[in-house]
Amino acid sequence: AQSVAQPEDQVNVAEGNPLTVKCTYSVSGNPYLFWYVQYPNRGLQFLLKYITGDNLVKGSYGFEAEFNKSQTSFHLKKPSALVSDSALYFCAVTLKTGNQFYFGTGTSLTVIP
Amino acid sequence: DTAVSQTPKYLVTQMGNDKSIKCEQNLGHDTMYWYKQDSKKFLKIMFSYNNKELIINETVPNRFSPKSPDKAHLNLHINSLELGDSAVYFCASSQGGYQPQHFGDGTRLSIL
Repeated sequence: AQSVAQPEDQVNVAEGNPLTVKCTYSVSGNPYLFWYVQYPNRGLQFLLKYITGDNLVKGSYGFEAEFNKSQTSFHLKKPSALVSDSALYFCAVTLKTGNQFYFGTGTSLTVIP
Repeated sequence: DTAVSQTPKYLVTQMGNDKSIKCEQNLGHDTMYWYKQDSKKFLKIMFSYNNKELIINETVPNRFSPKSPDKAHLNLHINSLELGDSAVYFCASSQGGYQPQHFGDGTRLSIL
């Protein structure tokens, strides 16, 4: 069965510091990995994806993520956190057909001024 | 223009009623989805649908049914509402396969 794990329910980071939100996955086949962000009372917004190629992918708002096949991880990173980055972050995985998307349980990021 | 729009935004109703949530996308996408987000913010896919195939999550009760009058719309019908159906329901669309999804802002369903 396919699954995604986000081991941290909550991540706190000081403004200006680097941030990392962790994600690991388990799939049978080549994974297609995504990060989404959700602000209060809004739908999810796409940040970035890994399909193939370079393991480091860059996305919106200065976020990036690194695909690590050996560790089956896809951690989200940003060099310098902003207060406005405070939100709920979801990692997701699908296979090539895209018929089933599996989301992690979400990580609430709080950036402290 | 809103890319994926859902109506209503809020839906309060009594147990046992039948209700529908509408979803429209103006992105020209060929695949649409319905998700349920519970009070703990867990997100679960309910259906994915394009003009060729409906994929149903096997855990979704058959009281829930998607109906697509055309490529740009995927409505969600719910029969005999139960207390446990209270959640936020999100519609999404994509170009299919492994393309990113675009989400609506959700419909907050509360069952009294």
